[in-house]
Amino acid sequence: EAGVVQSPRYKIIEKKQPVAFWCNPISGHNTLYWYLQNLGQGPELLIRYENEEAVDDSQLPKDRFSAERLKGVDSTLKIQPAELGDSAVYLCASSLAGGTSTDTQYFGPGTRLTVL
Amino acid sequence: AQKVTQAQTEISVVEKEDVTLDCVYETRDTTYYLFWYKQPPSGELVFLIRRNSFDEQNEISGRYSWNFQKSTSSFNFTITASQVVDSAVYFCALGSGNTGKLIFGQGTTLQVKP
Repeated sequence: EAGVVQSPRYKIIEKKQPVAFWCNPISGHNTLYWYLQNLGQGPELLIRYENEEAVDDSQLPKDRFSAERLKGVDSTLKIQPAELGDSAVYLCASSLAGGTSTDTQYFGPGTRLTVL
Repeated sequence: AQKVTQAQTEISVVEKEDVTLDCVYETRDTTYYLFWYKQPPSGELVFLIRRNSFDEQNEISGRYSWNFQKSTSSFNFTITASQVVDSAVYFCALGSGNTGKLIFGQGTTLQVKP
């Protein structure tokens, strides 16, 4: 079974430029998560989707970050414009179910973003 | 508030030594879940174990074992006879039974030297 797929693995951009990250979850997993991991820290949740619906986006900086999961499968996370402080690893995870149960979340390899 | 504390920032051992990674959590939920993940240099978080708050039995999987003690709010992870391939960052995480949200600790970097 294929795991969570993310692309690109690495991205280097100039500040104020836009950037997008793509995630394909494990087949059949209804819940998708985007996490931010700063250097030397644990991941922090940005947004959680149940199918197409964003059910928890309280930690997403909505002035510059946006996300979508139009068909309930793949998801895209966008930053526009990027700032120096956005340099981090962006992790995507998926689980079979979500909501009131804490299913095991399986993570992708992440996208390492460097903003110059 | 929910919180996970991994007090050990870095641990260095010599191959074949046993090593224990500590994890202390805080939650007011009666139903919660605890996880350990391994993050090797490649960056991907690898799931190791999931334990719910009603199951305090210790678990052993090969060289890995976990000690869950609700009385001290701890969920410690022991690697027996460590190997160089065990070198990674290990994260303990707490999941709410209500929201499904994971709260991660800061991670412990384990270096196993040959």
